[in-house]
Amino acid sequence: EDQVTQSPEALRLQEGESSSLNCSYTVSGLRGLFWYRQDPGKGPEFLFTLYSAGEEKEKERLKATLTKKESFLHITAPKPEDSATYLCAVQAQGNTPLVFGKGTRLSVIA
Amino acid sequence: DGGITQSPKYLFRKEGQNVTLSCEQNLNHDAMYWYRQDPGQGLRLIYYSQIVNDFQKGDIAEGYSVSREKKESFPLTVTSAQKNPTAFYLCASSSRHYSNQPQHFGDGTRLSIL
Repeated sequence: EDQVTQSPEALRLQEGESSSLNCSYTVSGLRGLFWYRQDPGKGPEFLFTLYSAGEEKEKERLKATLTKKESFLHITAPKPEDSATYLCAVQAQGNTPLVFGKGTRLSVIA
Repeated sequence: DGGITQSPKYLFRKEGQNVTLSCEQNLNHDAMYWYRQDPGQGLRLIYYSQIVNDFQKGDIAEGYSVSREKKESFPLTVTSAQKNPTAFYLCASSSRHYSNQPQHFGDGTRLSIL
């Protein structure tokens, strides 16, 4: 069974304090791994797609990386506006639905 | 701007009542999805549609129904058979089902019981 586990569940950072969020996955063949940002009361906003081990994508203070077993979302010098829940989702090969992790709730304190 | 519109933002259901949540997209996507989000849980798939006039059950379809009569629209009905309907409901679309393209989401409907 395809599984996605995100850690930590919650993370509290001071403004400017860099850190990483983890997404571990087990799938029978990866088609794509997706990162989303979700603000309270809103739908998830698409951030990145990663397709193969070794791939990296960047957007402002965020960088996503991928290995054969996990993905990291690195946040460099975060600001309070980066506070949100970050979701990871995996699409496996074959006719299987997208599997979501439970998310990491990030709080950045000024 | 292209996107997904969900309405209403808040909805209240009385005992024994069916309610319908609206989802419209102008992204020209073939595939559409309904998810349920509860606190502390990942998104769970209710129904999905790969193409007009076709839809499939997801993991938690019991107590829900859908239709896909137009490419742009994928309404979800929460029936009285759904005994625990209080949740945040999210609609999404993607260019094709089972592809490596991301799903894009609307801003959700929060359903509560009166």
